[in-house]
Amino acid sequence: GAGVSQSPRYKVAKRGRDVALRCDSISGHVTLYWYRQTLGQGSEVLTYSQSDAQRDKSGRPSGRFSAERPERSVSTLKIQRTEQGDSAVYLCASSLVAGGPCEQFFGPGTRLTVL
Amino acid sequence: RKEVEQDPGPFNVPEGATVAFNCTYSNSASQSFFWYRQDCRKEPKLLMSVYSSGNEDGRFTAQLNRASQYISLLIRDSKLSDSATYLCVGGGGFKTIFGAGTRLFVKA
Repeated sequence: GAGVSQSPRYKVAKRGRDVALRCDSISGHVTLYWYRQTLGQGSEVLTYSQSDAQRDKSGRPSGRFSAERPERSVSTLKIQRTEQGDSAVYLCASSLVAGGPCEQFFGPGTRLTVL
Repeated sequence: RKEVEQDPGPFNVPEGATVAFNCTYSNSASQSFFWYRQDCRKEPKLLMSVYSSGNEDGRFTAQLNRASQYISLLIRDSKLSDSATYLCVGGGGFKTIFGAGTRLFVKA
């Protein structure tokens, strides 16, 4: 069956511009996570949401990062006023249950380069 | 101090060797732990869950020591295909923390 997909796979943005990254999760999965992965620093969670939340409950609140969930299995991570330090791979993951770390299924990631 | 710490390696081992990774965590409230495997330029994939009683899956054994706050992964009879980065993951509630990963290279 279809897994988690992300688009675009690669994104180049000029510093200061806003970007939007899309994640299509697995149908029926409740929780969606966004991670930022950088070489040598591993992965950090940016935000997560449950399907019944209209607004994301950010695991790591940051004014420039926000996520929207227009449909149960779709999430869009928005980064405002990108900075060079935002260059990283952004991974989306979904899990079947609400709350609690559990098996997460990851998308292939979007590699963002901010110039 | 990072909440989840791993030795980044790399570990270079010959085929057939036994290799062990350790991971320490600082948040005693962490409830669940996992090992994920990540191949180069691929997404992380769950390798196995970690329980206090230990968890064995073929050549892989994971163990959790709550008193010392560390998690271990043992790989026996390593294969070339085991070459990857192994991520230690812990958390509770919605909080999920990844370690930076330990790189393993298995050589013929």
